[in-house]
Amino acid sequence: KAGVTQTPRYLIKTRGQQVTLSCSPISGHRSVSWYQQTPGQGLQFLFEYFSETQRNKGNFPGRFSGRQFSNSRSEMNVSTLELGDSALYLCASSLGTSGGPHEQFFGPGTRLTVL
Amino acid sequence: DAKTTQPPSMDCAEGRAANLPCNHSTISGNEYVYWYRQIHSQGPQYIIHGLKNNETNEMASLIITEDRKSSTLILPHATLRDTAVYYCIVRVANNAGNMLTFGGGTRLMVKP
Repeated sequence: KAGVTQTPRYLIKTRGQQVTLSCSPISGHRSVSWYQQTPGQGLQFLFEYFSETQRNKGNFPGRFSGRQFSNSRSEMNVSTLELGDSALYLCASSLGTSGGPHEQFFGPGTRLTVL
Repeated sequence: DAKTTQPPSMDCAEGRAANLPCNHSTISGNEYVYWYRQIHSQGPQYIIHGLKNNETNEMASLIITEDRKSSTLILPHATLRDTAVYYCIVRVANNAGNMLTFGGGTRLMVKP
């Protein structure tokens, strides 16, 4: 079974631009979560989507948004990029259905650099 | 979700058992203990989870104290490839979502 894939793996943008990152979960998984990892703040939860609906949201500004498609693939968007948005963005998928616990499977991440 | 406390770093000799402690003194009765690890520049990897009883899988063993206020992850025969940051996470397992709250973790260095 293929793992979680994220595209692109590396990205360089300049301040003020916007960026879209993509995540394809493991086949059959309906939950996709996004995390941001920086040296200063560590791993922080951004949001989770389940069956095309946002189920949980972390403490990030509205510039960070996401969506999930009917095939469970997910995208996250960051608008008006700031230098502090430079980070490794990780996507995780899980079954997400009731009756957990369900382990999460992480992708390799997208490393975003904002200049 | 309950907060966890882990030592920031530990060393272990290759081939020896690595015992990584985690304190979660405010854990609730319906909260599970999860362990993940992150090898440098890769996404975190699920290791094991448990509620009350000790658990073992092909990667590790999880020992949870009777009062559930602390746990230990055991890598029975550590290899150089086990060098990573290990995260202990406590959370409720329900259908309200899969959010994981990561702390600082323990940086395990396995040395030859």
